[in-house]
Amino acid sequence: RKEVEQDPGPFNVPEGATVAFNCTYSNSASQSFFWYRQDCRKEPKLLMSVYSSGNEDGRFTAQLNRASQYISLLIRDSKLSDSATYLCVVLSGSARQLTFGSGTQLTVLP
Amino acid sequence: DGGITQSPKYLFRKEGQNVTLSCEQNLNHDAMYWYRQDPGQGLRLIYYSQIVNDFQKGDIAEGYSVSREKKESFPLTVTSAQKNPTAFYLCASTRAAGGQETQYFGPGTRLLVL
Repeated sequence: RKEVEQDPGPFNVPEGATVAFNCTYSNSASQSFFWYRQDCRKEPKLLMSVYSSGNEDGRFTAQLNRASQYISLLIRDSKLSDSATYLCVVLSGSARQLTFGSGTQLTVLP
Repeated sequence: DGGITQSPKYLFRKEGQNVTLSCEQNLNHDAMYWYRQDPGQGLRLIYYSQIVNDFQKGDIAEGYSVSREKKESFPLTVTSAQKNPTAFYLCASTRAAGGQETQYFGPGTRLLVL
């Protein structure tokens, strides 16, 4: 079983749609959680951290469920510029290393 | 501007050749990391360094070597022992190793085998 698993997609949605991505992680002792965004042939960039209480940044909402070892990202009112691959990232282990999911590809269509 | 630079953007390697990828940061970050990304896959950790003159193997260190002689620099050598080196290589840094700090990434180097 992969340490961090994501639905690879692709998700093709129309502009203005709401889309949700899910991610599960296997290490129950994981400490921190993040969503990164990666554009085609570019480096990943931090989108948002994920907190137990849930957090929102504009059109983006992230949720963490420690009991189910599950993280989600909700994007409301999708824009063309949201088209990218979204990486679920987990910090865990005594060495506190980041483990990356393989990413979920989103294409927002006009 | 502060940031991480990687060079070259594209690198071609011949069979049996060692090549070195450059990573420099002027963010005064203590920790630096090298990842490899293959198409459709997540990033996998090759090596990391939490402090100057010290580095640790990641999940896929075989066929790679690194050095950390200066805080700003963390070059990665892909040796001839790495049989499948074609990938996108990303360097990252963070202010404190393993903390809640964000990892900042360089623009990456694409390595292709001739």
